[in-house]
Amino acid sequence: QSVLTQPPSASGTPGQRVTISCSGSSSNIGRNYVYWYQQLPGRAPKLLIYRDSQRPSGVPDRFSGSKSGTSASLAISGLRSEDEADYYCAAWDDRLSGPVFGGGTKLTVL
Amino acid sequence: QITLKESGPTLVKPTQTLTLTCTCSGFSLTTSGVGVGWIRQPPGKALEWLALIYWNDDKRYSPSLKSRLTITKDTSKNQVVLTMTNMDPVDTATYYCALWRYDAFDIWGQGTMVTVSS
Repeated sequence: QSVLTQPPSASGTPGQRVTISCSGSSSNIGRNYVYWYQQLPGRAPKLLIYRDSQRPSGVPDRFSGSKSGTSASLAISGLRSEDEADYYCAAWDDRLSGPVFGGGTKLTVL
Repeated sequence: QITLKESGPTLVKPTQTLTLTCTCSGFSLTTSGVGVGWIRQPPGKALEWLALIYWNDDKRYSPSLKSRLTITKDTSKNQVVLTMTNMDPVDTATYYCALWRYDAFDIWGQGTMVTVSS
C-alpha cells in the first residue's frame, strides 16, 4: 500500500483537460515539494513536474501541477494520444526520511 | 549529456545477495547537492524507493528494507552500488537508478529486470 493515494485510473478524449489527484499527509505533501512522473509503456519514468509546479526543460506547458494542503493535482490540457501513460506523484516524507510514491494512475486517451 | 545505466544479474536465487551497479556519466558524484537513488517496480505495480546516497556520502534507506540494503559509491569510477541481501521471489522487479537533484529523481536509467527464482 502506497503512502500517497492516487486514483488507479483516469481517462479523457483528445483535446480534453484531465486532472489526477494525489493525497498525502502532513509529513509529506503537507510540508514538502510534490513531483510528478510520467511512465510510458515499457519505459523508465520521466520527471514531469518538480517543486509542486515547475516543469523541466522540454516538458510541454500542457502539463501543470498544483498543491493545496496535503493534496496535489496534475492537470493535462489539450489531451493527446501520446499522453497515454502511467502517472506517479511523489514527495519527501519527513517521518520516513525518504521519498514516497503514489500508487500510480493509468491514463487512457479514448 | 547525463546518463545512468544499471547493471547486474538478471536472475538470482532465493536467499542470495543481489548486487547492482549504476554507472553515471555527464555529472560527478561529488557535485554538491546531488545524489543517486535506487527505485524498483515489480511487474505491473507501483514504484518503490529503496535507497539514496548524497554527494557528501550521507545515506538514506527505505525503513521497510533498511536491514537488507547497503548503498555505496565509488567516486573514482562514478558508480553507485546497491546490495540487497536475502532475496525473495517478491523482490522480482525492474530496478532503476536515478539522479537526485532539485528535490526529485531528475534523470533515470533504463532499468534492469531482476528475477528471483530457484
